[in-house]
Amino acid sequence: AAGVIQSPRHLIKEKRETATLKCYPIPRHDTVYWYQQGPGQDPQFLISFYEKMQSDKGSIPDRFSAQQFSDYHSELNMSSLELGDSALYFCASSSTVRRHGYTFGSGTRLTVV
Amino acid sequence: QQPVQSPQAVILREGEDAVINCSSSKALYSVHWYRQKHGEAPVFLMILLKGGEQKGHDKISASFNEKKQQSSLYLTASQLSYSGTYFCGTDTGNQFYFGTGTSLTVIP
Repeated sequence: AAGVIQSPRHLIKEKRETATLKCYPIPRHDTVYWYQQGPGQDPQFLISFYEKMQSDKGSIPDRFSAQQFSDYHSELNMSSLELGDSALYFCASSSTVRRHGYTFGSGTRLTVV
Repeated sequence: QQPVQSPQAVILREGEDAVINCSSSKALYSVHWYRQKHGEAPVFLMILLKGGEQKGHDKISASFNEKKQQSSLYLTASQLSYSGTYFCGTDTGNQFYFGTGTSLTVIP
């Protein structure tokens, strides 16, 4: 079965650089979520999209932005990167908003040096 | 608003049972349970909708007490593969939050 695809798997950036993370949800899933998970931390909700419109916003810094495109893939854009942005970034998708659980992608490990 | 899980960590021998609790201060529409292995994505285990349901598959089951805004995950006859961090996720209808997590280690 198709899963949630994230790219890249690993990313190393320097401080103040920009990064773009991509997420391809499971086909026919209408909702995409982004989470940030620091070492030893629980996943922190960043932002979600339902049918290509932003549906919910969590603890996403102003330096970050995200969008969902017509093909339902989503991108998380991160600018002016800081050392504290180093984390695992997960994308998840679900159908019928949160009723059937989320399927997570394998994540992108971002390291800011 | 983040649900609180207890215990924070538990170590079991193979074959032993465990209960993980999740408590929310908000009225809940549903509760999810996920298991995450180190460095991997959380994996969905089950969802319980309001109505006080109880679910289970194999040796892992869960209950949801809507009135108390609590859920419990029951692991029976634990296996080595059960090791990981367990997160509950609570859906208030408007917001979804992962719980504080419970690290579970099963040893031979």
